[in-house]
Amino acid sequence: KNEVEQSPQNLTAQEGEFITINCSYSVGISALHWLQQHPGGGIVSLFMLSSGKKKHGRLIATINIQEKHSSLHITASHPRDSAVYICAVRKTGGGADGLTFGKGTHLIIQP
Amino acid sequence: NAGVMQNPRHLVRRRGQEARLRCSPMKGHSHVYWYRQLPEEGLKFMVYLQKENIIDESGMPKERFSAEFPKEGPSILRIQQVVRGDSAAYFCASSPGAASTDTQYFGPGTRLTVL
Repeated sequence: KNEVEQSPQNLTAQEGEFITINCSYSVGISALHWLQQHPGGGIVSLFMLSSGKKKHGRLIATINIQEKHSSLHITASHPRDSAVYICAVRKTGGGADGLTFGKGTHLIIQP
Repeated sequence: NAGVMQNPRHLVRRRGQEARLRCSPMKGHSHVYWYRQLPEEGLKFMVYLQKENIIDESGMPKERFSAEFPKEGPSILRIQQVVRGDSAAYFCASSPGAASTDTQYFGPGTRLTVL
């Protein structure tokens, strides 16, 4: 079982819809990241969370440390939001210093 | 302030050749991470370096792969005697410090194709 699980794996929605992408993890973490990867392949860091909620424009990210769960929401979705959204965690307690990634959610927003 | 730079963006090598991937971190960043994204797979951590030091290489294959981050110049990921299974996108990321809550900024990646 992967340490970071995302759902759904694929999501197709109509422009304007409210989008939710979920991330669950099974390890202790010090921080959780949401990343966006566009078809061209570049990766952009959207949020880094250690608690609570963050908002940037139409994007909202929340994390529940007790439940080991995070969500990324997109309000008023637009075709330019089409991308792969990746959840990644920084584990605590030794081991790799780098991030551990989910497999990503492929989001397509149709006009 | 330029972002993380990687070059080349695309690299084609024949089996048995060497591949050298370069990463220049953001200005003021002294921590570099290398990640690999195999086709149809998620990103995987490879190595974490600070200037002149390898801090964590637990994700690096034991053979043929090496990384360095010299006092001057970019970080280098070196793959010797490449095989077809090395074909992947290699991303580096940099951060200003070692704190677990420091944001990592990703470069555009180098796409390695081994013929």
